[in-house]
Amino acid sequence: EIVLTQSPGTLSLSPGERATLSCRASESVIGNFLAWYQQKPGQAPRLLISGASTRAAGISDRFSGSGSGTDFTLTINGLETEDYAVYYCQQFGASPFTFGPGTKVDIK
Amino acid sequence: QVQLVQSGAEVKKPGASVKVACKTSGYIFTSYGMSWVRQAPGQGLEWMGWISTYRGDAHYSPKMQDRLTFTTDTSTTTVYMELHNLQSDDTAFYFCARARYSGHDSLLFWGQGTLVTVSS
Repeated sequence: EIVLTQSPGTLSLSPGERATLSCRASESVIGNFLAWYQQKPGQAPRLLISGASTRAAGISDRFSGSGSGTDFTLTINGLETEDYAVYYCQQFGASPFTFGPGTKVDIK
Repeated sequence: QVQLVQSGAEVKKPGASVKVACKTSGYIFTSYGMSWVRQAPGQGLEWMGWISTYRGDAHYSPKMQDRLTFTTDTSTTTVYMELHNLQSDDTAFYFCARARYSGHDSLLFWGQGTLVTVSS
């Protein structure tokens, strides 16, 4: 199975700063079928990015995804208070469709 | 609008089975498969598998495939997840989730989650 590694584990940033989150796959993700999700305490995950770089409907353009193959990045420009959460990547190119362990973005 | 409403919390003893329902509405049931994802308290997300609501065939995570069964009921547009021989580390929130598009895709719509607690 494809193992996804996310870094850093925790990112402490102030509002207005840029967050750069990394997701690295143990092998190439077929079709760059990689998604990013945001999860807040007590809530289900919310889809942000699909296909490595396509924002889901209704997602702010402060969120952008990039990358291909084994290296992917989620960038959040101008952090707002509602962006403090845990972010997961998931590959859906090859079953099992594994998730990364997550990156927590918290307030500095 | 698309809605996924899951059944309520469960408490089970080790060795028992649990069956969680995911009632769907707002779309053509057989046009989209359903995935199941679980999350132990304070931990990350774990993909459990996927079932085709059209054909009924399922793909399970190798870690759980011996204990896991997905089924569908087209008449009530409900998908079920049944996990057998429960152990304490199966204590988790269980989510059903539907992809953006038919086939395998990112998970756009999520149920509210069902807490399953395994305790003697």
